[in-house]
Amino acid sequence: EVQLVESGGGLVQPGGSLRLSCAASGFPFSNYEMHWVRQAPGKGLEWVSYISSSGSAIYYADSVKGRFTISRDNAKNSLFLQMSYLRAEDTAVYCCATGGAGVWGQGTTVTVSS
Amino acid sequence: DIQMTQSPSSLSASVGDRVTITCRASQDIRSDLGWYQQKPGKAPQRLIYSASSLQSGVPSRFSGSRSGTEFTLTISSLQPEDFATYYCLHHHSYLLTFGGGTKVEIK
Repeated sequence: EVQLVESGGGLVQPGGSLRLSCAASGFPFSNYEMHWVRQAPGKGLEWVSYISSSGSAIYYADSVKGRFTISRDNAKNSLFLQMSYLRAEDTAVYCCATGGAGVWGQGTTVTVSS
Repeated sequence: DIQMTQSPSSLSASVGDRVTITCRASQDIRSDLGWYQQKPGKAPQRLIYSASSLQSGVPSRFSGSRSGTEFTLTISSLQPEDFATYYCLHHHSYLLTFGGGTKVEIK
């Protein structure tokens, strides 16, 4: 079964850091581009970041550029999102998705609040 | 940047109704568009890819079409399990651009 499972979310104070993980199974992860997408409470979907299958190409939304870092470990079928200098407006459910958004994980919740 | 304008933002319909949701792209995006269904607390599920191709396992009452930069999702006969929020999504290279969503509620 093709599956993406996120973890690492939680409550963090403004200015803090958090590292999200996405574990992939059921497909050849190393062949797939990957995205992080987020959804703030009661809001729509927002693309956050992209990484190519090899990790050589990386892009970020302007709203997170300079604060978030995407990476992957193809040997461990894992995708990561290192989030720093977190703001209240980063509060959202964060999902990983395959390139082309064919498969999504359930998401992990990040709450930035003092 | 390409913008995706989705309408309506919400609609009320009854079981058995025909429902149509539209997304308009700000420029030509070929057929690089998908339609997704999202239920509360769940991940989005792709219904349609490449504007009009039905995702495997998705009921045939869902269909997609394209006319230039206007894309349409049609549910031919709304079922109780179809009450959800629907999003269009344009994917190009590294970027995903979403429509604002349409919440389909029970009348």
